[in-house]
Amino acid sequence: QKEVEQDPGPLSVPEGAIVSLNCTYSNSAFQYFMWYRQYSRKGPELLMYTYSSGNKEDGRFTAQVDKSSKYISLFIRDSQPSDSATYLCAMSLFTGNQFYFGTGTSLTVIP
Amino acid sequence: GAGVSQTPSNKVTEKGKYVELRCDPISGHTALYWYRQSLGQGPEFLIYFQGTGAADDSGLPNDRFFAVRPEGSVSTLKIQRTERGDSAMYLCASSSGGYTQYFGPGTRLTVL
Repeated sequence: QKEVEQDPGPLSVPEGAIVSLNCTYSNSAFQYFMWYRQYSRKGPELLMYTYSSGNKEDGRFTAQVDKSSKYISLFIRDSQPSDSATYLCAMSLFTGNQFYFGTGTSLTVIP
Repeated sequence: GAGVSQTPSNKVTEKGKYVELRCDPISGHTALYWYRQSLGQGPEFLIYFQGTGAADDSGLPNDRFFAVRPEGSVSTLKIQRTERGDSAMYLCASSSGGYTQYFGPGTRLTVL
């Protein structure tokens, strides 16, 4: 079993839709949770990061962490064609530790 | 300010050859990471430097892979006797010591 599981999609939504992206994990010791966006053949770009459980909002993006269920989510409101990319979840045990990534979910927002 | 840079952006080599991949981290970042990403997969950890020393090299797949960071800034990932299975995107990330890592654009390595 992989440490981090993520549905690879692909996910296709109309412009303006609310998008929900999710990851589950097996190691209850993970404390730091990140979401990255990766455009084709580019490096990952940090979108959101959270520590422990709870919600964090930044513009159209909301990250949620439920440590009791070992489940994290990223919500994108009013999705735009420019949001079309692969979204990677990542998590770590402590600062300085390696990141454990999901496989990424490919998202296409159709105009 | 300038982000993480990696050179070359693309590298094509023949099986059995030696390659070096370079990473310039964000200025002042003490932590540097190397990851490898195969097509359709998430990045997989290779090695982590804190300053000049390798704090964790548990992700290096075998002794053909080696990385250095002699002055605590630029790092070079070295692959000897390359194999076709080494073909992937090699990503470098740096951090100021917190829990966020900032990635470079990657080097796409193709071994023919």
